[in-house]
Amino acid sequence: IAGITQAPTSQILAAGRRMTLRCTQDMRHNAMYWYRQDLGLGLRLIHYSNTAGTTGKGEVPDGYSVSRANTDDFPLTLASAVPSQTSVYFCASSPKVNQPQHFGDGTRLSIL
Amino acid sequence: AQSVTQPDIHITVSEGASLELRCNYSYGATPYLFWYVQSPGQGLQLLLKYFSGDTLVQGIKGFEAEFKRSQSSFNLRKPSVHWSDAAEYFCAAYAYGNKLVFGAGTILRVKS
Repeated sequence: IAGITQAPTSQILAAGRRMTLRCTQDMRHNAMYWYRQDLGLGLRLIHYSNTAGTTGKGEVPDGYSVSRANTDDFPLTLASAVPSQTSVYFCASSPKVNQPQHFGDGTRLSIL
Repeated sequence: AQSVTQPDIHITVSEGASLELRCNYSYGATPYLFWYVQSPGQGLQLLLKYFSGDTLVQGIKGFEAEFKRSQSSFNLRKPSVHWSDAAEYFCAAYAYGNKLVFGAGTILRVKS
């Protein structure tokens, strides 16, 4: 079934550790995105990629990095996790810019 | 600043009753507008979108939304709510560039 796969589904992580959240799509979409969802704040864009080989900063990029080596994969890395990064993280993709986005099922991350 | 506002954090309706969820945006130009639904533990699913043309748009699951430029609104409606509609609903807009801005969400409870 075509869609977005995120891994892991959930993770508990000690503060200061490095963590990479994985995102893979099989729809051949050009654009991909990472959001975090926090209660009462909706979804906030962390980083995005309009096409393979390019990335850009969203609304809340600090403490996070991304890469887009190919069309299908868009990993999100927390270099040194802090408790304020406890959140639910969603990966999304769209065929091209300004098109409807399709979402994965999320990764629930707790930083202790 | 560009923003999307959902004035109602929670709404409770009886099963079979009509529903209207409010959404307002603050952009100079007409943005691309979307409504998404999120069930607990799931990602976001697109209900409907407005890009241009007919201001009343039909979506999945019996939902519709009406774009009103004069009121900067894009309210979501359903004539008869089912218990399975209980979820969180997000309004979102593309304005400039490739950044989708979300409202904070409205949680819908359905009373039987």
